[in-house]
Amino acid sequence: QSALTQPASVSGSPGQSITISCTGTSSDVGSYNLVSWYQQHPGKAPKLMIYEVSKRPSGVSNRFSGSKSGNTASLTISGLQAEDEADYYCCSYAGSSTLFGGGTKLTVL
Amino acid sequence: QVQLQESGPGLVKPSQTLSLTCTVSGGSISSGSYYWSWIRQPAGKGLEWIGRIYTSGSTNYNPSLKSRVTISVDTSKNQFSLKLSSVTAADTAVYYCAREPRAGRVDYWGQGTLVTVSS
Repeated sequence: QSALTQPASVSGSPGQSITISCTGTSSDVGSYNLVSWYQQHPGKAPKLMIYEVSKRPSGVSNRFSGSKSGNTASLTISGLQAEDEADYYCCSYAGSSTLFGGGTKLTVL
Repeated sequence: QVQLQESGPGLVKPSQTLSLTCTVSGGSISSGSYYWSWIRQPAGKGLEWIGRIYTSGSTNYNPSLKSRVTISVDTSKNQFSLKLSSVTAADTAVYYCAREPRAGRVDYWGQGTLVTVSS
């Protein structure tokens, strides 16, 4: 099993929108609607932002949204804010195991 | 509010066994239908799922680590544990314990504990 593929970095200005992609295979992302996304600030534990492709946990801003098409899932952050600067990881169920993406560093310019 | 706390040695010698325990508070580890998981993160790198144990005691492991990993649960102490054998420097990482209400979704994380493999 290989890690899910994410871009190493993305950037955007305050107020803009960005999208982070997460590409897997037909054995993981493509087969299950069990994709989640995590935000991690330096030195902190990851925080769940999106689960089951597009659902938001209570307390997570509606500026965060998720989607999936085929073997690729996406996280969109709208109205970028300075505090959104962090590392983001996608995650997918892969039939008895779980896979993470390599992570994407989001820089708010 | 569920809380998880990792504990165990911060330094392990090469070829030895890494042992960590996660203590769950704010709820019973045996109530509800949850997976209890271990995830690690080498410094400056991404997250790697190690494995999980279900409340029934059944386990799933990362295929790349399966031969070296054992996850167990002690419901009397509200704890679950990780053992990783034959460690090398490549196993140096921050180790997180976590709860998965459904496979592929982690809703609660411990704060993480750094384990260094070095002689």
